[in-house]
Amino acid sequence: EAGVAQSPRYKIIEKRQSVAFWCNPISGHATLYWYQQILGQGPKLLIQFQNNGVVDDSQLPKDRFSAERLKGVDSTLKIQPAKLEDSAVYLCASSAYRGLTSTDTQYFGPGTRLTVL
Amino acid sequence: SQQGEEDPQALSIQEGENATMNCSYKTSINNLQWYRQNSGRGLVHLILIRSNEREKHSGRLRVTLDTSKKSSSLLITASRAADTASYFCATDAGGSTLGRLYFGRGTQLTVWP
Repeated sequence: EAGVAQSPRYKIIEKRQSVAFWCNPISGHATLYWYQQILGQGPKLLIQFQNNGVVDDSQLPKDRFSAERLKGVDSTLKIQPAKLEDSAVYLCASSAYRGLTSTDTQYFGPGTRLTVL
Repeated sequence: SQQGEEDPQALSIQEGENATMNCSYKTSINNLQWYRQNSGRGLVHLILIRSNEREKHSGRLRVTLDTSKKSSSLLITASRAADTASYFCATDAGGSTLGRLYFGRGTQLTVWP
């Protein structure tokens, strides 16, 4: 079974520039998550999709971050414009969880390491 | 905050020794999960323990959960150099937020050969 794919693996940009990350979840997984992991901290949930609908985006800085999941499969996360404090690893995860009573394991991709100069 | 908090922040042991990491949290949970992250890599799910369970085993891993104390522990027995990684606990509060995980800062485990 192929894992969660993310690209690019690394990105270096200057502040005020824009950047986009791509995620391809495990085939058949209904739920997709984007996390931000700042160095030395645990992952922080930014947004959760179920199929192509947003379930929770309460921690997404919507003035500069946006995300979409077209056709309930791939997803992109965009930052525009980037700030220095956005330097972090952006992790994508997927799970088979469909919003029923029992949760399911999240499978993580390798992440995209963003450096904002 | 729903986040778990791991203790200690860093742990250094010799191969063959046991490693114990603790996690405390503040709100009621549906389940608690432990993940491992090798340097520069994504997270790998280790084990999930539900709120009505007290102990769970998986290979060399043993997880306990005490909901009255809002705490969990992860024990790795007979550690190996390959166990060197960061370990995170993550809580799932259930209810309307079922499926959402809140991670702590992690414990950095170093196992010396």
